[in-house]
Amino acid sequence: GQQVMQIPQYQHVQEGEDFTTYCNSSTTLSNIQWYKQRPGGHPVFLIQLVKSGEVKKQKRLTFQFGEAKKNSSLHITATQTTDVGTYFCASGNTGKLIFGQGTTLQVKP
Amino acid sequence: GAGVSQSPSNKVTEKGKDVELRCDPISGHTALYWYRQRLGQGLEFLIYFQGNSAPDKSGLPSDRFSAERTGESVSTLTIQRTQQEDSAVYLCASSRLKGSTEAFFGQGTRLTVV
Repeated sequence: GQQVMQIPQYQHVQEGEDFTTYCNSSTTLSNIQWYKQRPGGHPVFLIQLVKSGEVKKQKRLTFQFGEAKKNSSLHITATQTTDVGTYFCASGNTGKLIFGQGTTLQVKP
Repeated sequence: GAGVSQSPSNKVTEKGKDVELRCDPISGHTALYWYRQRLGQGLEFLIYFQGNSAPDKSGLPSDRFSAERTGESVSTLTIQRTQQEDSAVYLCASSRLKGSTEAFFGQGTRLTVV
């Protein structure tokens, strides 16, 4: 079935360092969504990418969708302690929304 | 309501008992999802409802799990003869359209089987 693989599983960074999480699929994705889950909270939608090669920015966050629409990345520039949480990619190719395993980001002040 | 509402927020049950979890989606959202999240783990897809179509039950882990949804309203997830391995947070989400629009999550039901 449809799967999206996400790496790394964990990332510890010093505040101010950059962070990147990657999402990969063996099949072409119709879209990719990114969510953030704070500790003890529920996933919250960040963005959706639909077009091949699409790049979107939200302040210090940059989202990319690969040319082949099989991979995506989320990059955070100059992390802050408020960035702590788990970042999930998700895709709704077949209607149902399937999530990657998530990348948990820890930021040391 | 303004968001997805789930009840109860916490449930402690004895092994072998049945439990019923409720989800009230955002009004007008045709798609509704149930996920299971074990401690420190990712989101495990359970079931997906889209309008009046037959639900996608491909993620239900065993026949002890079932879910219903009436039209585009409330959904209930039922777990029969609960086992300790069922302990997890059960998250419900709804979206305006299937798979291609933002999903809004409820706060989840934390289920503990003792």
